[in-house]
Amino acid sequence: ELKVEQNPLFLSMQEGKNYTIYCNYSTTSDRLYWYRQDPGKSLESLFVLLSNGAVKQEGRLMASLDTKARLSTLHITAAVHDLSATYFCAVPVSTSGTYKYIFGTGTRLKVLA
Amino acid sequence: NAGVTQTPKFRILKIGQSMTLQCTQDMNHNYMYWYRQDPGMGLKLIYYSVGAGITDKGEVPNGYNVSRSTTEDFPLRLELAAPSQTSVYFCASSSYTDARTSGRRYEQYFGPGTRLTVT
Repeated sequence: ELKVEQNPLFLSMQEGKNYTIYCNYSTTSDRLYWYRQDPGKSLESLFVLLSNGAVKQEGRLMASLDTKARLSTLHITAAVHDLSATYFCAVPVSTSGTYKYIFGTGTRLKVLA
Repeated sequence: NAGVTQTPKFRILKIGQSMTLQCTQDMNHNYMYWYRQDPGMGLKLIYYSVGAGITDKGEVPNGYNVSRSTTEDFPLRLELAAPSQTSVYFCASSSYTDARTSGRRYEQYFGPGTRLTVT
């Protein structure tokens, strides 16, 4: 059974600091997705990583994918309060030719002023 | 494009009651999904569908039923509601094919959610 694990589960950091969130998964997949969820809201797509070595950046966030290590990272540079949210990674898994997504446990990020 | 819409936004049910959560997408996506998210937790897949007339169970299907008679609609039925079904329910859709040949993103698009309380 596919497992998708994120760490840390909770992250409290000061504004201006850097940090990395890790997403490990237990089966082969050639793509991975990152989502953001604000409290009481739905999920919003952040990054789509479609191949080994893929790197995407938007603002202070950068995501990368290493399919051989089954690892994705979400790096936060010079954090600001607006980045406070819960971040999820998701891995698609194939079952008899159909695809479903398994979500990680989520990382709740709080950026302190 | 409205994207993925869900109704109702909030609902309180008594134990043993039944209800249907509605989900509609206007992006002509073949895949649709239902998830539940318990407080402070991640998403658990309840059911999904790869097209009209085809549905399959996810991780936590017990107590729920689905149908997919059209590409656009994917309702989730709760029979005999129980307190353990108190959760936020999200519907999502996507169009999934081989990204290596098409180069497209194929991420999931989520609806706004339905907050359900069973007392």
